Amino acid sequence: LAKTTQPISMDSYEGQEVNITCSHNNIATNDYITWYQQFPSQGPRFIIQGYKTKVKNEVASLFIPADRKSSTLSLPRVSLSDTAVYYCLVVPLGSSNTGKLIFGQGTTLQVKP
Amino acid sequence: DTAVSQTPKYLVTQMGNDKSIKCEQNLGHDTMYWYKQDSKKFLKIMFSYNNKELIINETVPNRFSPKSPDKAHLNLHINSLELGDSAVYFCASSQVEKTGNTEAFFGQGTRLTVV
Repeated sequence: LAKTTQPISMDSYEGQEVNITCSHNNIATNDYITWYQQFPSQGPRFIIQGYKTKVKNEVASLFIPADRKSSTLSLPRVSLSDTAVYYCLVVPLGSSNTGKLIFGQGTTLQVKP
Repeated sequence: DTAVSQTPKYLVTQMGNDKSIKCEQNLGHDTMYWYKQDSKKFLKIMFSYNNKELIINETVPNRFSPKSPDKAHLNLHINSLELGDSAVYFCASSQVEKTGNTEAFFGQGTRLTVV
C-alpha cells in the first residue's frame, strides 16, 4: 500500500487560498487519491478524490500531475472554520485491500483571523 | 437522519471489564469498518466487513471481536479491557467495491476511557 507524506502543520489567514501538497511516490495503477478533513471530536469527513489531472467540487480542488506521485489539495478563501486536520490517502481499488483507508499523521491547518 | 451512528458516545470503565460499542449505518452500504484513534491522533484501521464477512483484520489483539449481524450493523466487543485500549473508536461505511467511490462515512466516535 502506498505511503503518503505531507507537512505536519500549516498556518494561514482568513480569505487566503491554502495549498497542501502530498507525496505518494509508490502509488499503484489502481490507486485513487483521496483527501479527508477531521475536526476535533469528530470523525473524518471526505473532501475530494481524484485519479489524475484536476478535480473540483464545491469545497476544494485537487491537482494531480501526470506521474501521480504527488497531489495538491487547494482550499479557496479559507475561513476560521476550515481549521482542521487534513489527511491525504491513497486508496486501492480492485484488490483485497479495496477501500482500505490508511491514515497518516495529516496536516494540521490553523487559520488565523 | 444520521448516516452512521455509534453508541455510546462516551464509555468509562474499569480494567478487566468487557464492553461493546454498537454501530449502525442507514446508507445501504456493503462495507463497514472500525478505526481506532489514539491519544497521538493516529487513525488506524482495525477491521473491515463486507456483506457481513470479515475482509480486513489488522494486527489487533483477539480481545477485540467484531460482530456483524447484518450488513447495516457492525458491533465491536472488547474483552478484558486494558488501560492501553483507551482511545476514540470510529465506525465507518462505504460502497467502494460497487461504485469505485472511495468516500467513507464516519460515525461521531466513541471515546473509551479505561481506568
